[in-house]
Amino acid sequence: NAGVMQNPRHLVRRRGQEARLRCSPMKGHSHVYWYRQLPEEGLKFMVYLQKENIIDESGMPKERFSAEFPKEGPSILRIQQVVRGDSAAYFCASSPPGQGDGELFFGEGSRLTVL
Amino acid sequence: GNSVTQMEGPVTLSEEAFLTINCTYTATGYPSLFWYVQYPGEGLQLLLKATKADDKGSNKGFEATYRKETTSFHLEKGSVQVSDSAVYFCALRTGANNLFFGTGTRLTVIP
Repeated sequence: NAGVMQNPRHLVRRRGQEARLRCSPMKGHSHVYWYRQLPEEGLKFMVYLQKENIIDESGMPKERFSAEFPKEGPSILRIQQVVRGDSAAYFCASSPPGQGDGELFFGEGSRLTVL
Repeated sequence: GNSVTQMEGPVTLSEEAFLTINCTYTATGYPSLFWYVQYPGEGLQLLLKATKADDKGSNKGFEATYRKETTSFHLEKGSVQVSDSAVYFCALRTGANNLFFGTGTRLTVIP
C-alpha cells in the first residue's frame, strides 16, 4: 500500500510565477491536509479538504493561495505570483473517513524555492 | 482553543544518555496526543500516540504517558542512539480536525 505521494519533491520558481504542488493520499483515504514548514520552524496548518469540499481553510493566506481535491485525481495546492517568503516545505497528510481523532499520514513534502 | 507547548531545543546528548522532551497542551474536549519524528530531509513519521488519559504510547524505546491532570505528554527514552538524531514534534487532535503541532525539538546525539 503506497503511502502519501507528493510531487514535485523540489520546485524552483522565480518571483511572480505560479507553483502547483500535488498530493495523492493513501489508498482509501478521503481526507487531505496541507501544512507549511518554514525553515527551522514547526508545521503550520493551511487547509483541510475532503473530496470536492474544503472543510477548513482557516490557515490559508487570503490571497494567492488556493487548494482543491477533485473527485478524480490528486489534491493540488496552488500558489500564484510567488514571493520569496513562500519558500518553504509543503507537506500533505491524509486520513481515512470516519477515523475520528486518529493519526495523520504524511508525505515526504514538496520543497519550494523562490528565487 | 487548541495549542501545544513544546520544550525548545536544540538538545544535544551523548549516546546512551536519558532523554526527556517536555510537551504540554491546551485543548477543547478530549484530544488524542501524538509524537512525530522528522529525520533530515524527510517527512513526518508517527513515533507514538495515546488516545485517552493514562494511556502510554511506546515505540522504538520511546515512551510517553497521557497525563490529563497535568495536561502533559512528555517524551522519554532511557538510552538514546546516534540514529535518534532528528526533530521531534508533539501534536494533538480533537475529533476529525487537523493536527496542532508544537514548534519541534531538534535532538542531536553525539557518539
